[in-house]
Amino acid sequence: AQTIHQWPVAEIKAVGSPLSLGCTIKGKSSPNLYWYWQATGGTLQQLFYSITVGQVESVVQLNLSASRPKDDQFILSTEKLLLSHSGFYLCAWSLYREDQDTQYFGPGTRLLVL
Amino acid sequence: GDSVTQKEGLVTLTEGLPVMLNCTYQTIYSNAFLFWYVHYLNESPRLLLKSSTDNKRTEHQGFHATLHKSSSSFHLQKSSAQLSDSALYYCALYNTNTGKLTFGDGTVLTVKP
Repeated sequence: AQTIHQWPVAEIKAVGSPLSLGCTIKGKSSPNLYWYWQATGGTLQQLFYSITVGQVESVVQLNLSASRPKDDQFILSTEKLLLSHSGFYLCAWSLYREDQDTQYFGPGTRLLVL
Repeated sequence: GDSVTQKEGLVTLTEGLPVMLNCTYQTIYSNAFLFWYVHYLNESPRLLLKSSTDNKRTEHQGFHATLHKSSSSFHLQKSSAQLSDSALYYCALYNTNTGKLTFGDGTVLTVKP
């Protein structure tokens, strides 16, 4: 069975500090991967997606970047955090090609920037 | 671009009463997929229902929804609410041309005894 793991579970960071959030998928080869963000009281917004290793497309510009160093790993990062980066970050996966419309979500990471 | 509207931000009702959460959408593409995701506290959002077929009822775990392309709607319904249904419900639209999943703002459903 496939599992999706996100780390860390939660983080409190200072404005201007760097950030790295991780996501790994086990049990599926070559999945499509996605990063979502939800501000407190806001809706889920898709930030990035990747259909293969080394290839990432940006959907929303939030002074964040994403990378896919391995088939089962997706990293979200920034060198300088802003207050507006606070929120809930979700990683998701879908199958490549067939049934790619259905996305499955990880447990998420809560980020508070002070 | 695509958009999804969930007009109720918060719905509170008594156990046993029927549930209806509204969802309407806008897209220029005809082959959209509509989803309902349920997000329980401290868990991941998970798929509840999905549909891409016009006027076909889809059901899962006591909930049902019918995609009506004529009115661009995909309302979520349940005949009798249970306490365990309390959660955040998202309606979402998947655009097969862009590969983007667009979420509504979500509706918090609270079921009271």
